[in-house]
Amino acid sequence: GAVVSQHPSRVICKSGTSVKIECRSLDFQATTMFWYRQFPKQSLMLMATSNEGSKATYEQGVEKDKFLINHASLTLSTLTVTSAHPEDSSFYICSARSRRMNTEAFFGQGTRLTVV
Amino acid sequence: AQSVTQLGSHVSVSEGALVLLRCNYSSSVPPYLFWYVQYPNQGLQLLLKYTTGATLVKGINGFEAEFKKSETSFHLTKPSAHMSDAAEYFCAVKGAAGNKLTFGGGTRVLVKP
Repeated sequence: GAVVSQHPSRVICKSGTSVKIECRSLDFQATTMFWYRQFPKQSLMLMATSNEGSKATYEQGVEKDKFLINHASLTLSTLTVTSAHPEDSSFYICSARSRRMNTEAFFGQGTRLTVV
Repeated sequence: AQSVTQLGSHVSVSEGALVLLRCNYSSSVPPYLFWYVQYPNQGLQLLLKYTTGATLVKGINGFEAEFKKSETSFHLTKPSAHMSDAAEYFCAVKGAAGNKLTFGGGTRVLVKP
């Protein structure tokens, strides 16, 4: 099956610093990647959609200058949380879809970000 | 526009009992429907999906779901709960030609010995 690897699984950073989260499709080409945020005991909220080689499309209310998304290759997308604050602490999950298997997306393991 | 409603944020079942998780959706186009399971601090794993064809869909770990267009429902069932079924379950919908998945609020399943 298709595998999506997300790294790191956990990260703690200080307020004001930036954190980069990587999402890799290991055995397929991900033409589209999605980034979600999940608060405790809540559902997944889509933050942005990125297509390889294009700028990401952000959902309403998501600050694009704060959550920088890069999808430079067909196997890698990154989410950078810039100038992190404690309220950015959350569980971030990526998913990836290929053009060939476009009926479903495959999810990474998630990243627990804690900003102190 | 599309939306998903999962009735019941928590469900408690005894080991060996039927598991029933309810999902209703709204979609302006023919939907693709999904059930995912999430274990603590992990991503989502696909249990099953409906795209076209047979409306009764069988998934992994003994789960199945039935697409009922007239009821706009896609309820998830498992005849006999196992302790390992304790997790969070999410129903999701995507328009057939659309790009985004819309998730329900999730249902946490607790399995009692």
